[in-house]
Amino acid sequence: GESVGLHLPTLSVQEGDNSIINCAYSNSASDYFIWYKQESGKGPQFIIDIRSNMDKRQGQRVTVLLNKTVKHLSLQIAATQPGDSAVYFCAENKGTDKLIFGTGTRLQVFP
Amino acid sequence: GAGVSQSPSNKVTEKGKDVELRCDPISGHTALYWYRQSLGQGLEFLIYFQGNSAPDKSGLPSDRFSAERTGGSVSTLTIQRTQQEDSAVYLCASSLARRQGSGPKGYTFGSGTRLTVV
Repeated sequence: GESVGLHLPTLSVQEGDNSIINCAYSNSASDYFIWYKQESGKGPQFIIDIRSNMDKRQGQRVTVLLNKTVKHLSLQIAATQPGDSAVYFCAENKGTDKLIFGTGTRLQVFP
Repeated sequence: GAGVSQSPSNKVTEKGKDVELRCDPISGHTALYWYRQSLGQGLEFLIYFQGNSAPDKSGLPSDRFSAERTGGSVSTLTIQRTQQEDSAVYLCASSLARRQGSGPKGYTFGSGTRLTVV
């Protein structure tokens, strides 16, 4: 079936290092992808999005890369800070308003 | 209000009882979504309301689950005869009407209702 999955359930990084969170998707018809951040006890918050006609998009300290050839999506966080500790979800959209979410990766930032 | 409000924030219920979960979307948002998040899992789509259109109920896991949206605003998710596997965080999100070519970027999530069935 269709799925959006993640390679690693937990990622531990040292403060100041760069973080890379990966996501694989299986549906080549997906044309829109979003990364969300979910802190404990809160709902997911939008971080950055990318359309399938792009392969890279940058925000503030974050970069999303899309490799359609291997159906792979990544979120790069520069100079990771303690406040970046959260669960990160990728989500895909296939032309409807529904998002299909992956399992999530927990990012732990150590001082 | 400024954000999506969900109530209650926590609910403990006995197996077999019915529960109602409430969502107050952002004023003016015509689209409303319910998702379920089990422990350590991603978000599972349940149901989607858009304006006056018929809701997309394709994600509801069984006929024990139903949802209404009154007056295009507040929504209630009802679970009848709750089972232990219904225990999860139920998240509501709202967004502005989607313009062609734009994605659901404007999803704003509430903090969820944590349901525990004992």
